[in-house]
Amino acid sequence: AQKVTQAQTEISVVEKEDVTLDCVYETRDTTYYLFWYKQPPSGELVFLIRRNSFDEQNEISGRYSWNFQKSTSSFNFTITASQVVDSAVYFCALSAPRTGNQFYFGTGTSLTVIP
Amino acid sequence: NAGVMQNPRHLVRRRGQEARLRCSPMKGHSHVYWYRQLPEEGLKFMVYLQKENIIDESGMPKERFSAEFPKEGPSILRIQQVVRGDSAAYFCASSPPAQSSGNTIYFGEGSWLTVV
Repeated sequence: AQKVTQAQTEISVVEKEDVTLDCVYETRDTTYYLFWYKQPPSGELVFLIRRNSFDEQNEISGRYSWNFQKSTSSFNFTITASQVVDSAVYFCALSAPRTGNQFYFGTGTSLTVIP
Repeated sequence: NAGVMQNPRHLVRRRGQEARLRCSPMKGHSHVYWYRQLPEEGLKFMVYLQKENIIDESGMPKERFSAEFPKEGPSILRIQQVVRGDSAAYFCASSPPAQSSGNTIYFGEGSWLTVV
């Protein structure tokens, strides 16, 4: 079965601190895809990144970086020098060919950046 | 640059009424998905549709819920005889024709249903 666990329910940091959001996944598939989405207070879901299981190269986009480690089944997300606008709920998700086009979401991590 | 369009954003229904949620996919996207987000929970898959076809409805409740994506017009998620437990955010997502299941899906802004 596919499963995504985001153990951190809520995190608060002071502005300019770095913060890492954890994501651990379970799958029996060798081909799968991992995603992060952001849900700001306004409610919409914003796509952040997609990773396939064959590409373990870490990625950096501005203040955002992602660390994919198959050995620990983790796909962690780090925000450097956090800002108030980063306050949101962040969801990690997984999809795999064997289970069609379903996305399996974690329960989300609510990040609050305090000015 | 029209993304996934959902309406209404907010809907209030009394118990027993019907709720209809509409979703227009992004331009060029022929696949539509519906997800439900209950309070304090992550998103749960409900149904996956292509034009005039339901591909996967394994996440749909067996009763009162139905979805369609007609040849013309938006996809509709219909909830009959709503109950308080149906109160949730309903998100529609779309993707281009899938060569594989690794396509990114893009979400609309959600429709918040409140049953009173």
